[in-house]
Amino acid sequence: AIRMTQSPSSLSASTGDRVTITCRASQNISTYLAWYQQKPGKAPKVLIYAASTLQSGVPSRFSGSGSGTDFTLTISRLQSEDFASYYCHQCYNFPYTFGQGTKLEIK
Amino acid sequence: QLQLQESGPGLVKPSETLSLTCTVSGGSISDSNKYWGWIRQTPGNGLEWIGSLYYSGTTSYNPSLKSRVSISVDTSKNQFSLKLSAVTVADTAVYYCAREEITVGRQYYYDYWGHGILVTVSS
Repeated sequence: AIRMTQSPSSLSASTGDRVTITCRASQNISTYLAWYQQKPGKAPKVLIYAASTLQSGVPSRFSGSGSGTDFTLTISRLQSEDFASYYCHQCYNFPYTFGQGTKLEIK
Repeated sequence: QLQLQESGPGLVKPSETLSLTCTVSGGSISDSNKYWGWIRQTPGNGLEWIGSLYYSGTTSYNPSLKSRVSISVDTSKNQFSLKLSAVTVADTAVYYCAREEITVGRQYYYDYWGHGILVTVSS
């Protein structure tokens, strides 16, 4: 199975900050990567798919980049509602796998 | 607006079979270019993909669970189901059903999720 490694596992930031989360795949997955946001007690919500395509309705302050094995999720100006956990997900082949998550907390 | 809703027992005894159903509303489970999946989440292991289903009945399973898992569809009820046999405490998790979108460019992602159901394995 493809291993997805996210960093950092947790991150403290302030409203208005720019933050970047990285995800590394254990093998080449082209651009078959999605990013999800999850708030406590809620299901994950897709933000980005195909590594860099913004899902409809998601604010433009979210962006994704990368291909191959290295990917990033960037939030350009943090809003209060962005404090949550974030997961990367490879959909290159079965079994699908997820990163271990990054918890974004208020500083 | 598409909605998915998991249902089933919240408590299962060790060695028994966990059975969950996902009811899809606001859309058809028979839509082409859509797969349907089960994902679970535990505090220790994060998000784990269990398996995927196409409305025709084609399935794919996580090898880590393959000998114990079965996913099936009932198109007449717009539902799909998960069965996981011989459960242990390690199968305690929140179980989600989700729709997998397949884009024109053959990219995949889960765009609609159920709320999730906590299943506890305990005697």
